[in-house]
Amino acid sequence: EVQLLESGGGLAQPGGSLRLSCAASGFIFSNYAMSWVRQAPGKGLEWVSGISAGGGTTYYAESVKGRFTISRDKSKNTLYLQMNSLRAEDTAIYYCGKGRVAVLATPVDYWGQGTLVTVSS
Amino acid sequence: DIQMTQSPSSLSASVGDRVTITCRASQNISSYLNWYQHKSGKAPKVLIYAASTLQSGVPSRFSGSGSGTDFTLTISSLQAEDFATYYCQQSYSTPLTFGGGTKVEIK
Repeated sequence: EVQLLESGGGLAQPGGSLRLSCAASGFIFSNYAMSWVRQAPGKGLEWVSGISAGGGTTYYAESVKGRFTISRDKSKNTLYLQMNSLRAEDTAIYYCGKGRVAVLATPVDYWGQGTLVTVSS
Repeated sequence: DIQMTQSPSSLSASVGDRVTITCRASQNISSYLNWYQHKSGKAPKVLIYAASTLQSGVPSRFSGSGSGTDFTLTISSLQAEDFATYYCQQSYSTPLTFGGGTKVEIK
């Protein structure tokens, strides 16, 4: 059974940092692209960042480019999102998602339950 | 970026009704269109990918159609558990943009 378990969310001050983790199990982690998708309060879904199966290709939404870094550790079956220079508009539930295939342009076929990030002073 | 436009933004329907949600892409995306169901407080769930392929385990009352720029999600007979927000998403190119969502309320 595919499982994705996010952690690392919480309260951060504007300008601060957080690192989100997503522990994956139930599939061969290194074979699939992975993504982070967020939902701000009262808003829809936004694809924030993605990484290919091998880690060689990454993507960032313009809203987070230069501030967020996605990475993956195949030895730990874990996906990460390092979030720096946080802003109030980064407040959202962050979901980890598994892609159907290895490349970035793929639907998310399994999702985690999400972790809440709140940016406020 | 490819813009995805869903309509309607919300609807109210009765159990047993046939419900149709449309999604339009700002450019040709072939069949790279996915549909998700999202219930408040839960993880989103993929219903259909590649425009018309039903994800394993999803009830057959859900179906998808379309190609190019115009797509449709149909729920043939709405059930109480289908109360949720539905999103389309293109996976033709990065960024993988979502539509604005359609909130389905049960009458």
